[in-house]
Amino acid sequence: QLQLVQSGAEVRKVGASVKVSCKVSGKNLIDLSIQWVRQAPGKGLEWVGGFDPGDGETIYAQQFQGRVTVTLDTSAHTGYMELTSLRPEDTAVYFCATDFTGIDCFDLWGQGTMVTVSS
Amino acid sequence: EIVLTQSPGTLSLSPGERATVSCRASQRVVSSYFAWYQQKPGQAPRVLIYAASRRATGIPDRFSGSGSGTDFTLTISRLEPEDFAVYYCQQYGSSAWTFGQGTKVELK
Repeated sequence: QLQLVQSGAEVRKVGASVKVSCKVSGKNLIDLSIQWVRQAPGKGLEWVGGFDPGDGETIYAQQFQGRVTVTLDTSAHTGYMELTSLRPEDTAVYFCATDFTGIDCFDLWGQGTMVTVSS
Repeated sequence: EIVLTQSPGTLSLSPGERATVSCRASQRVVSSYFAWYQQKPGQAPRVLIYAASRRATGIPDRFSGSGSGTDFTLTISRLEPEDFAVYYCQQYGSSAWTFGQGTKVELK
């Protein structure tokens, strides 16, 4: 059964970095287009970045360009999202998600990782 | 990037009533890359509708999607108690995914 299992909650200081992981079981990581979405407390969903469903290249939301990097470790069956130069407004739940059944949307989600940025 | 604007922000309805949520895009959207999600508190979102009008696996037929181009609609024909939640539209275009700001369907 395909699952996305994310790493646990993180607390960071302003200016630090955080790296969140998303372990895939049940399918080859290279066959999935892992995306990252965040949700600040009480707010809506915001796409952060991921892999282009067409060519597999990394793609990022404009507002995160230069601060976010998404990577894959195929040997560990794990995807990663690293966000640098953290600000208090980066406090959010970060989800990984993917198009599992090929329907061009996010039909499988991780459980979410809470990242808290404090000053 | 394509901006998605949902309306209304909040919908106050009773069980059994019909819910209609609109999503308008700032540019034309490819229908095959347009979806609707439901999210309940403390949970990850769940896809309801993909390709603008196709129900995802396991989604009851009271949920339907329609629209094309820049205007899309999610309809819940008769609200069940478990349908009170927040709904988001989403699209992919020009190497970016975007979400609408969400519509809360609350109990009247």
